Amino acid sequence: AQSVTQLDSHVSVSEGTPVLLRCNYSSSYSPSLFWYVQHPNKGLQLLLKYTSAATLVKGINGFEAEFKKSETSFHLTKPSAHMSDAAEYFCVVSDISGSARQLTFGSGTQLTVLP
Amino acid sequence: NAGVTQTPKFQVLKTGQSMTLQCAQDMNHNSMYWYRQDPGMGLRLIYYSASEGTTDKGEVPNGYNVSRLNKREFSLRLESAAPSQTSVYFCASKGLTSDTQYFGPGTRLTVL
Repeated sequence: AQSVTQLDSHVSVSEGTPVLLRCNYSSSYSPSLFWYVQHPNKGLQLLLKYTSAATLVKGINGFEAEFKKSETSFHLTKPSAHMSDAAEYFCVVSDISGSARQLTFGSGTQLTVLP
Repeated sequence: NAGVTQTPKFQVLKTGQSMTLQCAQDMNHNSMYWYRQDPGMGLRLIYYSASEGTTDKGEVPNGYNVSRLNKREFSLRLESAAPSQTSVYFCASKGLTSDTQYFGPGTRLTVL
């Protein structure tokens, strides 16, 4: 069975400083990994995904994530935070379970960006 | 394209009442999903439909039923609502050749 652990429930950074949101996963097969973002009272938007091509994945809005199989990690980074990045971020693993590939979500990391 | 749409956006029920949440997608996707989101728990899968005509239980199916009405539509029914079902419900869909799920805007349900 797959699982996802987001190591920080809250992260606070100052505008213009780097962002690091940490994620570890476990999976029986070769997983696909995703980061989704949810702004307040909104649905989920896909930031980026890893599907066994390049280990460094670039997403929207300047975010990127590196897949490290040896560490079973998929941390999300951004060089310089913007106020509009304040949101909740979910690390997600996709694996085969039952009759379809299913997603397992981490519990989320709330990112606060301070002026 | 509208993507994934959900109705209603908000709903308040009394304990024991029933209701159906509607979801539709216009991306010709095969698979559709219902999740609930509770604080500090991420999203948890309630039911899914890998293709038209099939449905399967997810992680938290108790108290819910689903219907895959056609390829576009996937509804979630609460037969006798309980306060523990107060949550935000998201519908998602996925194409046959991709792992990426696309989410609707959510339905915020309160059961008193």
